[in-house]
Amino acid sequence: DVQLIESGGGWVRPGESLRLSCAASGYRFGGIAMNWVRLAPGREPEWLSYISTGSLNIHYAASVEGRFTISRDDDKGSLYLQMNSLREEDSAVYYCARGPETALDVWGQGTTVTVSS
Amino acid sequence: SALTQPPSASGSPGQSVTISCTGTSDDAGRYRDVSWYQHTPGKAPKLVIFEATRRPSGVPDRFSGSKSGNTASLTVSGLQPDDEATYYCSASAARSPVVFGGGTKLTV
Repeated sequence: DVQLIESGGGWVRPGESLRLSCAASGYRFGGIAMNWVRLAPGREPEWLSYISTGSLNIHYAASVEGRFTISRDDDKGSLYLQMNSLREEDSAVYYCARGPETALDVWGQGTTVTVSS
Repeated sequence: SALTQPPSASGSPGQSVTISCTGTSDDAGRYRDVSWYQHTPGKAPKLVIFEATRRPSGVPDRFSGSKSGNTASLTVSGLQPDDEATYYCSASAARSPVVFGGGTKLTV
């Protein structure tokens, strides 16, 4: 079965950093683009970042550009999101999702990030 | 939200329900990229419609999508209890590769 499993969430104070990971299994990870999306209570999902196969193209939402960095390790079948200078409004459940930005065909179950003083 | 959805919808088992998703003029030109996702709390979101009308393999044909002008729609026919979830639309937009609607909570 195709599966994505996120990890690395937790509670941090404003200004601190976290690194999220997403482990993929059940398919050839290096052959498909990946994304990060977050969902905060009472809000619509927010797409955050995209990385193409071979890491050739990388896109960020304006809300996270300059603070978050997406990367992938195709040998390990893993996707990462380095999050710096975290703000309270970054609190959400973070999902990794497979595919082009407009058709995310497999999602993980998410990892929760809480930013609070 | 860049895409407007009704906050709630409901139907009885066996009935059909249609959920709308209306975009701004900025999004209209890209509406061929509309997708719909089903999400139940604690579970992974699931793609049920992409490119406005196409169904991924494994999604029952009870789920169908359509579009007209600035509005896309998701119809769920033959409602089943397992269809109860929040449904989000998404589309590419002028200012972002993808934006989402606020979600519609479907009660069966």
